[in-house]
Amino acid sequence: EDQVTQSPEALRLQEGESSSLNCSYTVSGLRGLFWYRQDPGKGPEFLFTLYSAGEEKEKERLKATLTKKESFLHITAPKPEDSATYLCAGGGNRDDKIIFGKGTRLHILP
Amino acid sequence: DAMVIQNPRYQVTQFGKPVTLSCSQTLNHNVMYWYQQKSSQAPKLLFHYYDKDFNNEADTPDNFQSRRPNTSFCFLDIRSPGLGDAAMYLCATSTGGAGTDTQYFGPGTRLTVL
Repeated sequence: EDQVTQSPEALRLQEGESSSLNCSYTVSGLRGLFWYRQDPGKGPEFLFTLYSAGEEKEKERLKATLTKKESFLHITAPKPEDSATYLCAGGGNRDDKIIFGKGTRLHILP
Repeated sequence: DAMVIQNPRYQVTQFGKPVTLSCSQTLNHNVMYWYQQKSSQAPKLLFHYYDKDFNNEADTPDNFQSRRPNTSFCFLDIRSPGLGDAAMYLCATSTGGAGTDTQYFGPGTRLTVL
């Protein structure tokens, strides 16, 4: 069964303290790995799509990377406004669906 | 800006009283999705439309129905809401629906059942 697992469930960092969020996947024939940011009470906001192992994408303080088994979302020198839940999802070759992980709740302390 | 719009943002209904949630899009995407998300959980896919073709998830209760009258609009009908249906309902769209196609989400409708 296709599965996406994110760790840690929650992470508290001091402002400026860099770290990484992990997304492990077992998705048959992975075709796309997606990262979203979700603020409380709002819909997920698209961040990145990665298509193949070795691919990297960056946006401001965020960088997403992909291997054959997992993806990382690296956050460099985070600010309090980076506090949110970060969702990872994988799209395979079986149908139109993407499989979401439960997310990592990130809290950046000023 | 092209976007996905959901109305209302907040909906309060009574136990057993039917409710309809609305989603519209200006992206002209072929695929529209409805998700249910409960607190601290991953979004759970209820169903999706590829153009006019309806695809129901096997574990979506019969209490949930959907309509897509045209490309731009999609509705979620909850025929007899129970307390367990209180959640955030998210609408999303994508171009082709395959595993490579990014889904774009609306702001969500928070449903409260009294």
